[in-house]
Amino acid sequence: NAGVTQTPKFQVLKTGQSMTLQCAQDMNHEYMSWYRQDPGMGLRLIHYSVGAGITDQGEVPNGYNVSRSTTEDFPLRLLSAAPSQTSVYFCASSYSPGANVLTFGAGSRLTVL
Amino acid sequence: GQQLNQSPQSMFIQEGEDVSMNCTSSSIFNTWLWYKQDPGEGPVLLIALYKAGELTSNGRLTAQFGITRKDSFLNISASIPSDVGIYFCAGPNNAGNMLTFGGGTRLMVKP
Repeated sequence: NAGVTQTPKFQVLKTGQSMTLQCAQDMNHEYMSWYRQDPGMGLRLIHYSVGAGITDQGEVPNGYNVSRSTTEDFPLRLLSAAPSQTSVYFCASSYSPGANVLTFGAGSRLTVL
Repeated sequence: GQQLNQSPQSMFIQEGEDVSMNCTSSSIFNTWLWYKQDPGEGPVLLIALYKAGELTSNGRLTAQFGITRKDSFLNISASIPSDVGIYFCAGPNNAGNMLTFGGGTRLMVKP
């Protein structure tokens, strides 16, 4: 059981470039979400999904897109990277849309120059 | 949106000491959660609280759900070096589809 797998672990981008952070879970969880972690600000929710084909915005969605074509995968797309998007990104999933007991991936550290 | 305020922001303690941290909100929560993040890893759930006044233990960790439902406390007894990390409180919104996290308490333990 791999749990929640995130790739890549590290990425450096130039301003204006686009990229996709991958997230996959093998626990058949319905609920998946993306957070960003910045020093002193805790974890802030970017987007979430309560099931395949359903996505919604979280607290800080601007500059990010998501899709959920399968139960297993929930990629996060940066359309035109900005230095303000330099952060550590975490994907998390839960067995129910109740979103309480989240299983987190190991994180993806993104630097935008 | 809902905000959770954690204090202290950081603590540097001696091994063997007890630790207390808390989380407060201007909004009522029906569930309080405490997560721990080890360096370089994602957060892991430590304790979940579902009822006002509830006191729950997990080994050396004890957490309480405040009776006003606007705060929660986490205590660690007899700290050890592996307690190092960031501790987050969290609570779901009323719809139960979004989890809000506090800013975290960074714990450092001196052997």
